[in-house]
Amino acid sequence: SQQGEEDPQALSIQEGENATMNCSYKTSINNLQWYRQNSGRGLVHLILIRSNEREKHSGRLRVTLDTSKKSSSLLITASRAADTASYFCATDRLLLSGGSYIPTFGRGTSLIVHP
Amino acid sequence: EAQVTQNPRYLITVTGKKLTVTCSQNMNHEYMSWYRQDPGLGLRQIYYSMNVEVTDKGDVPEGYKVSRKEKRNFPLILESPSPNQTSLYFCASSPDRGGYTFGSGTRLTVV
Repeated sequence: SQQGEEDPQALSIQEGENATMNCSYKTSINNLQWYRQNSGRGLVHLILIRSNEREKHSGRLRVTLDTSKKSSSLLITASRAADTASYFCATDRLLLSGGSYIPTFGRGTSLIVHP
Repeated sequence: EAQVTQNPRYLITVTGKKLTVTCSQNMNHEYMSWYRQDPGLGLRQIYYSMNVEVTDKGDVPEGYKVSRKEKRNFPLILESPSPNQTSLYFCASSPDRGGYTFGSGTRLTVV
């Protein structure tokens, strides 16, 4: 089952503009992660934000987390053509049977940055 | 270099012919997982393993088997592949809950 859902499904912008992607989830989480995937390649971990954090930065990336709204956003500032990729959020899902957490991914946002 | 290695990268096979996709990580991670990725469906978890000899089903385990005899290896076995298992498969590992390292993927076609 999809725990995280990204919005929008697709985003097309010009180089230099900012790109914002959102992720909503349904149940309580321990942390939320964002990943990037270039076409047909493996996912690359970008950033992890814990449930007790509200904002985190990494280079041109800024992630926010609002646990009251069960949502997160990924902002890419001053986008470049090389940022063209799909972006996924992943949240830990608690397995009640064993008390373990497993990551669950959304369907992703496809970002195209035009040079 | 820290990495997750999957083999093969591409595989075309016929219905019913058993196959194994290998996955190996060199980071001493406890947690390993297999996903399949299909257009419009995102990544769906097939099986995961919390440690050696500890495996459990994900969301779409039917038609797949796994084993975790050693910490570094987590092969995915399709005993009798069918066309609906045509997909892009990823193996991933993590030392704890978060920050997964993914393999480059295996594109499987079952005809």
